[in-house]
Amino acid sequence: DTAVSQTPKYLVTQMGNDKSIKCEQNLGHDTMYWYKQDSKKFLKIMFSYNNKELIINETVPNRFSPKSPDKAHLNLHINSLELGDSAVYFCASSLEGRTRNNEQFFGPGTRLTVL
Amino acid sequence: LAKTTQPISMDSYEGQEVNITCSHNNIATNDYITWYQQFPSQGPRFIIQGYKTKVTNEVASLFIPADRKSSTLSLPRVSLSDTAVYYCLVGDFKAAGNKLTFGGGTRVLVKP
Repeated sequence: DTAVSQTPKYLVTQMGNDKSIKCEQNLGHDTMYWYKQDSKKFLKIMFSYNNKELIINETVPNRFSPKSPDKAHLNLHINSLELGDSAVYFCASSLEGRTRNNEQFFGPGTRLTVL
Repeated sequence: LAKTTQPISMDSYEGQEVNITCSHNNIATNDYITWYQQFPSQGPRFIIQGYKTKVTNEVASLFIPADRKSSTLSLPRVSLSDTAVYYCLVGDFKAAGNKLTFGGGTRVLVKP
């Protein structure tokens, strides 16, 4: 009954490779997000997708691209990986119109290590 | 989104009450105050949200004074499993495109 799931949990790869991280939510939410948490534990939003439309795209390199095949999925594709991309990536989701001012549900994270 | 300031870390003991104060002097009229909790190797988890006065749920209480320039998260009778990082977020999240901006958080260590 996992609410927000991510795969893989760990990803170790070489510089220059292309990789993807998958995210799925079974909460019926209509907005999904990707966050990056660096080694200093600061959590920063990267993308926000609502109804398959990008609504937030922070200043991330265009090597990063979100892909949403449907409302329940938001995958993160990363091309030409660099050492600085090593971090923990979190997927999250929320539902517009909730009583709370945007409660977001986070996945367990994917730890990406670029060698 | 309003800038927030909270202590970097706090130590406590099992059974004690932990109070974490967050300063947000430039809070705007439409801003809400939200707290998230993050355990090691997990994603953040929503704890509580408020606009003014006091809010209480099964996990915590949130105290907001009349001027709303600060707020205090209160965790009653903490246990070892409450060891986590607690983030204070302030903003009109819907107007900001549902964007959450996390600061450094407060690392709470509960000791036996």
